[in-house]
Parts: sequence; structure tokens; C-alpha cells
Amino acid sequence: DTEVTQTPKHLVMGMTNKKSLKCEQHMGHRAMYWYKQKAKKPPELMFVYSYEKLSINESVPSRFSPECPNSSLLNLHLHALQPEDSALYLCASSQGRQGSYGYTFGSGTRLTVV
Amino acid sequence: KNEVEQSPQNLTAQEGEFITINCSYSVGISALHWLQQHPGGGIVSLFMLSSGKKKHGRLIATINIQEKHSSLHITASHPRDSAVYICAVNTGNQFYFGTGTSLTVIP
Repeated sequence: DTEVTQTPKHLVMGMTNKKSLKCEQHMGHRAMYWYKQKAKKPPELMFVYSYEKLSINESVPSRFSPECPNSSLLNLHLHALQPEDSALYLCASSQGRQGSYGYTFGSGTRLTVV
Repeated sequence: KNEVEQSPQNLTAQEGEFITINCSYSVGISALHWLQQHPGGGIVSLFMLSSGKKKHGRLIATINIQEKHSSLHITASHPRDSAVYICAVNTGNQFYFGTGTSLTVIP
């Protein structure tokens, strides 16, 4: 298995909803990442988990809450989002931290906040 | 100034043409990545380079570490190559993305 699987592919949520994005990989990668990408812009790093511990939080608002239950799974819990949070949320994983030995992206979750 | 600069920003080519996308960077790196993203889609990693040249099918990527420059070449371009191509560099502590090159190949 050489993939990073993200679910759901599309999500529409209201500003009062609570939802979660899921990311899974079975490549034995020990670093996992959440990125946010707005249209026609490069991805922006949100969080990095290294060996299931949060190692980087790029000043992301607390309405985004990451969780890494085990080495294969990374969640992003969403609560009280704003319409400007609508974006493509990408998960990635790598063998070494920050992609020193290969980097694999998921296909993303397209989030729309209404 | 961005740590990673790509050119051109937009590129339109006829099917069959040879295409080159350039990437220059200003930081010390441990690796450079070429990524492909189709409209509305996720990102696919095409190459990871730390030196020299790599080839995969019709795609060729080169890097010159001394000049801090990399190129992505597509031979015999096809409409399915239409996508955004992103150069990204890994410094060991940080991952910097270029703003991407939007490629359209016309039949």
C-alpha cells in the first residue's frame, strides 16, 4: 500500500457543526502532516505529527484540532468554522520528518463551510 | 521574496510539444520535489531529487545544486498532462512550496 487515503472527499458543514477529517496510511511513515490549500495558491502547512506527537503547529486557530491516535491515522477535528475556512485540506506523510526520504500526499478533502 | 520561485506561472502548449518548467530556490536543501495537481484534486509526487537527473516515462527532472535550480521537462506533451506543477524544497526543518505552474496542453 503506497497511498495516503483521506475521507471524506467532499464535506459541506454549517458554522455550528462539528465534523472530522480522516487520513490514513499504511506505509510505515512516522511523520504526518495537515495542509490547507486555497484556490490557485500553494499548500500551507497547518500541523506536523512526528512519531504520533505534535511537533509543529503553525499558529492554526483552535477551531481546528488535530489528533494522531496511532502511527497510521491522523484526524482533523473541526468545530465552529468560518466560511473563509473553506478550502482543500490535504494530508501527507513521509518516512522522515519534513520529507527527507519521500513524501506522499492524499487526494484531499474539499471542505465548504456555509 | 519567496524561497522558491517557478517560471512560467502559466504555460499553454500544443500536443506533442516539449515543455520545460523551471524552479529556482534560495535556501539550502536536502531534497527538491516536483508535484502535480489536477484541478480540484490532490497532489501527486512526481520526483524527489537531491542531485543529478531522474526520468519517469515522458517526464524528466534535473537539479543543479550549485546553481540552486531545477527543471521539469515533459516530452511529447499530451492533454492529460494539463495540471498545476509545483516545485517544493525540503530544508530538513521546513518545506517550502513554489506558487506552481499551470500547464494547459491543447489537442
